[in-house]
Amino acid sequence: SAVISQKPSRDICQRGTSLTIQCQVDSQVTMMFWYRQQPGQSLTLIATANQGSEATYESGFVIDKFPISRPNLTFSTLTVSNMSPEDSSIYLCSVEEGRQSYNEQFFGPGTRLTVL
Amino acid sequence: AQKVTQAQTEISVVEKEDVTLDCVYETRDTTYYLFWYKQPPSGELVFLIRRNSFDEQNEISGRYSWNFQKSTSSFNFTITASQVVDSAVYFCALRGGGADGLTFGKGTHLIIQP
Repeated sequence: SAVISQKPSRDICQRGTSLTIQCQVDSQVTMMFWYRQQPGQSLTLIATANQGSEATYESGFVIDKFPISRPNLTFSTLTVSNMSPEDSSIYLCSVEEGRQSYNEQFFGPGTRLTVL
Repeated sequence: AQKVTQAQTEISVVEKEDVTLDCVYETRDTTYYLFWYKQPPSGELVFLIRRNSFDEQNEISGRYSWNFQKSTSSFNFTITASQVVDSAVYFCALRGGGADGLTFGKGTHLIIQP
């Protein structure tokens, strides 16, 4: 399976600032996703990162707040903009290999964000 | 809309007991995929199993087994002879036939006491 790394692994940020999270995969993958896990909660899909086009956002998430880039098949970034304490969460990158939807989704180690 | 329900918020058992984690799902897709993930205290998500909607065969992997029943829309996970290392949060997840991400249940926190 693909090896996924995320940077930074954790950060503490001030209210009103922005943070960009990087996701790097060691092989080319067709699908990349970004999830959020709020403290003590389950995972919620933020968006699908599409290579060469705009990301596809889930209900409740907007591009202005969570801009996403995916310049190639091995890399994506998620920016959390104009942060507030409610954005304190673990942000996880996920990848799916192959073109079939029944492939497993593997997750990166996550970025633990605390907003003061 | 898709939905995954894990009604058991927390389960605590003594080591070596068997334990079953329940998962009930809702989807309008005729083709879909079900997953279980483990999240130990360290935080990483560990893939355990994927099951396709057209394959109702139960699966066993060591001490782990999964029971998929389309008639009741359930995909339950059993750990036999539980061990302390099994302590974690377990998530059940669903994916429809289209190119989208996973819908997760709220998770079951499993505590195995020595």
